[in-house]
Amino acid sequence: DQQVKQNSPSLSVQEGRISILNCDYTNSMFDYFLWYKKYPAEGPTFLISISSIKDKNEDGRFTVFLNKSAKHLSLHIVPSQPGDSAVYFCAANGANSKLTFGKGITLSVRP
Amino acid sequence: NAGVTQTPKFQVLKTGQSMTLQCAQDMNHEYMSWYRQDPGMGLRLIHYSVGAGITDQGEVPNGYNVSRSTTEDFPLRLLSAAPSQTSVYFCASSYSWSYNEQFFGPGTRLTVL
Repeated sequence: DQQVKQNSPSLSVQEGRISILNCDYTNSMFDYFLWYKKYPAEGPTFLISISSIKDKNEDGRFTVFLNKSAKHLSLHIVPSQPGDSAVYFCAANGANSKLTFGKGITLSVRP
Repeated sequence: NAGVTQTPKFQVLKTGQSMTLQCAQDMNHEYMSWYRQDPGMGLRLIHYSVGAGITDQGEVPNGYNVSRSTTEDFPLRLLSAAPSQTSVYFCASSYSWSYNEQFFGPGTRLTVL
């Protein structure tokens, strides 16, 4: 049973526009959420995180929103740049210390 | 700091062979873990360690063995390689076991024939 779901496998956005990447989860015990970015042939790199006690966290062009009642989070990238083209993984952490990852979404930013 | 290093970068094995994937970190992180990434499957946790001498199983531990004798090193052993273990393997570390981002190594691409 997939506990972290990224239902859209890909997203294509024009440079300068907003990219919105969505993630849903089913386990109500998750209390910390992270987004990772991955380029081909490299390891994932941490992008931004949010605790369940918050509903928004912002870092430069990246903002993560958390809706606990809907068990939904989203990553907003504004403005999108060609260098943002990568695979983005949503991950969730609970009391058992294990990170659970979604399947990832491939973002393509068109120049 | 080198961060998280993994060796080798690429490896081809025959079914039944054994090997060890090496992972080391120089950040004095307590928490280390191994993941495998398969197409369309995301990252799945194989084994993890919350400190030297302490290891535990993740989501997909079968066919793999780990040990943690030092804070720096966390090797992953394939006991008898199978084609189903063809994957990209990532090692990661973090300062603590909870509420901290994990730092990932560059990965090892393993093919089992």
